[in-house]
Amino acid sequence: QVQLVQSGAEMKKPGASVKVSCKASGYTFANYYLHWVRQAPGQGLEWMGIINPNEGTTKYAQKVQGRVTMTRDTSTSTIYMVLSSLRSEDTAMYYCARGAGLPQTNYFDYWGQGTLVTVSS
Amino acid sequence: SYVLTQPPSVSVAPGQTARITCGGNNIGGKGVHWYQQKPGQAPVVVVYDDTERPSGIPERFSGSNSGNTATLTISWVEAGDEADYYCQVWDIISHHVQFGGGTKLTVL
Repeated sequence: QVQLVQSGAEMKKPGASVKVSCKASGYTFANYYLHWVRQAPGQGLEWMGIINPNEGTTKYAQKVQGRVTMTRDTSTSTIYMVLSSLRSEDTAMYYCARGAGLPQTNYFDYWGQGTLVTVSS
Repeated sequence: SYVLTQPPSVSVAPGQTARITCGGNNIGGKGVHWYQQKPGQAPVVVVYDDTERPSGIPERFSGSNSGNTATLTISWVEAGDEADYYCQVWDIISHHVQFGGGTKLTVL
């Protein structure tokens, strides 16, 4: 069965960086784009970006462009998201999600369990 | 960027029909997807490509999309349907995703 398993909760100080991982299993890793979506406490869903696991190409949301880097390791079917220059506003649950229906459409058919990142001095 | 507008809240009595809207400029020309999120859980897709229902999602969940409004309809609402619902679209040119602000469905 398809699974996306994320790394554990992180607590960081403002200005630091955080790296979150998402290990995929149960399907051919190269065949589906993967996304990062975050949700601040009590707030809605915010899309952060997409990675093509086959080529490693990425697209980022304008709000985090310049602070986010998404990479993948095909040998372990894992993607990574590094967010730098952390601010208190980056405190959120971070989800990886698989994109289905591409290229004409894209919806998220599987989600990771989420990784809570807390930014506090 | 493309803006999707949802009502913050919708309330409905059990057994009634809930309709949650998602407004956007010519949204009828895009594929709209809907997610249900319960407290402490990851979102789950309940409708994709405007009208399609994933396996395991009850037939009570349906979608439509035309003009400037997409709608998620939940028939015969149950207490277990109480959750936050989000609409989402994909921009095929920019490869960007946009979510609506979310609607909290309360079952009275």
